[in-house]
Order: sequence, then structure tokens, then C-alpha cells
Amino acid sequence: GQNIDQPTEMTATEGAIVQINCTYQTSGFNGLFWYQQHAGEAPTFLSYNVLDGLEEKGRFSSFLSRSKGYSYLLLKELQMKDSASYLCAVPSGNTGKLIFGQGTTLQVKP
Amino acid sequence: GAVVSQHPSRVICKSGTSVKIECRSLDFQATTMFWYRQFPKQSLMLMATSNEGSKATYEQGVEKDKFLINHASLTLSTLTVTSAHPEDSSFYICSAPIRDSSYEQYFGPGTRLTVT
Repeated sequence: GQNIDQPTEMTATEGAIVQINCTYQTSGFNGLFWYQQHAGEAPTFLSYNVLDGLEEKGRFSSFLSRSKGYSYLLLKELQMKDSASYLCAVPSGNTGKLIFGQGTTLQVKP
Repeated sequence: GAVVSQHPSRVICKSGTSVKIECRSLDFQATTMFWYRQFPKQSLMLMATSNEGSKATYEQGVEKDKFLINHASLTLSTLTVTSAHPEDSSFYICSAPIRDSSYEQYFGPGTRLTVT
């Protein structure tokens, strides 16, 4: 089965950098997703990592280490609008379904 | 623009009644769609996989007779919450793979169900 672990809450200051960690245990690995979700809205895609290393996309970067079962999402130059939940998810087997971690609620303060 | 739509976006119903939620893929076909449930301040929990032309596959602990899923066409899946109770009040989200064999999914905007 799958087990995904993320911190429940984080707080950071506007303009700063924050790193949100995700550890996972899966039987088979087909990549790892990060989604952003604002309250009452659907998740929006941020990144998909299949290979080890850091992938940068504007202010957001995502890192993966398959050997360690570890990923992080790095948010730079934080803005107030970045206050949201960040969800780590992995595909389950070959069915296409995603299993989500409990999500990390990030609060950005002025 | 949105590629997966849900209807209704919000619904309030009385305890004991049934509610149908529609999930449509726009401008693409989806042989598979997924239904998730999200309680306040919690993450998305997969309920079931909707398969076009065959029975849905339910996750452990999800009552298939209570949450009826019908994938009538390649662009439409419906979730019917039967005999709804207040504890069924939740945010229901559907998704569809962006293409066959892809793990990346488009998510619908969600349906807020309140059972009184």
C-alpha cells in the first residue's frame, strides 16, 4: 500500500522562502505530484517528478529523491496569495488513481 | 478554461433524500474518472474509480450501494448519494486523466453538499 506524510501546518513570512516536505512509501513508484488547493476550490497542478533531482518552475521548485522516498516543494519570494494547502500525491499502481497526503496548510503572514 | 466541469457547484438537501452530482470532461474523452471526498481541513480521499461501460471500483470502506456511480458516456460520470445523512456533508471532487495512460489529472471545481 501507500503511506504519505506531510507536516500539517506551516507559517512563513511574505517574501521569504519555505520548504514543504513529503515522505512516502509505495509499492512501486510512478512519480510524485504536488498540487495547490485554495479553500473551497479544486486542486491545481504544480509539478510532477519522476526522476531524482530538482525541477524549477518560476517561484516554485520541486525535488525528488527516490532512494529516500522523499520530496519537497520549495516556494520562493512568498506572496500572500500563496496561502493555501499543498498536497503531495502519488499514483497507486497502474490504475491511474492518486493517493494524497494529508496536505500542508501554509499561512503567509505580512 | 475549465476542462472538467461539475454540476451542481453547491447543493443543500434534506436527510433521507438522494442527490446526483455530474462530472463532465470538456473537449476530451475520459474512459476513467475518479471521485474524491474532502472533509473540512482534510485532504482528498479517493472514493471510487468510475469506468466507462463497466462497474465502478470502490475504495475500501466506501459503500457502493450508498454512493452510486454511473459512467454513461466517455464524457460523463455521475455520483448519486442515496439516502443522504448529515455526515455525508462534504466537498466532492471528480477528476479525469489528461490522456489515456497518464497519471496527471484534471480536477473538477468540486461540489459542496450540505445535508440538513
